[in-house]
Amino acid sequence: ILNVEQSPQSLHVQEGDSTNFTCSFPSSNFYALHWYRWETAKSPEALFVMTLNGDEKKKGRISATLNTKEGYSYLYIKGSQPEDSATYLCAFLSGNTGKLIFGQGTTLQVKP
Amino acid sequence: GAGVSQSPSNKVTEKGKDVELRCDPISGHTALYWYRQSLGQGLEFLIYFQGNSAPDKSGLPSDRFSAERTGGSVSTLTIQRTQQEDSAVYLCASSSSRDLRSYGYTFGSGTRLTVV
Repeated sequence: ILNVEQSPQSLHVQEGDSTNFTCSFPSSNFYALHWYRWETAKSPEALFVMTLNGDEKKKGRISATLNTKEGYSYLYIKGSQPEDSATYLCAFLSGNTGKLIFGQGTTLQVKP
Repeated sequence: GAGVSQSPSNKVTEKGKDVELRCDPISGHTALYWYRQSLGQGLEFLIYFQGNSAPDKSGLPSDRFSAERTGGSVSTLTIQRTQQEDSAVYLCASSSSRDLRSYGYTFGSGTRLTVV
């Protein structure tokens, strides 16, 4: 059974704070790691697809890093805004199975 | 269509009844996936269709669950004799390629199923 773990489960921060969450995944047979943002009453939206050890991707104030040897990825949000409030999901692709295994998500609440 | 469309958006059903959930993927997307999120749980894989290949049904929780994809496009997830533990948000996603090293999923907005 492949386990993808995310921490923390939830996070409350003030507007302007920077924050980060962790995604842990099996380090063997790694193919790709995805990050998604899921806002309430909307569809989950792809943020990043990462494949290479040491990869760093950035989209605006959000960035992600990847360590495939030790099996973790960090998602960083710089200067959090209320509109960043959402559940952030990571998902692991093992081998060429064609399907993603998701973690339970980190729910972020940014207070104005 | 412009996005992945799911219907109905909400469904309340009585225990023991059958339900059908529909997913209309983005035109041209060859891969289609069903997941569900039960209260307090993560996204749980159910079934995956890729082109004309046999579907990967490894995530279906019981033989009460089945899915089909007609003409490589629209998919229907059927739950027979619903139970209260089937209550969840059922999400459909599609992808333009088998290569998930390059492309992510495009999700629908989900069907919230409540079994009473």
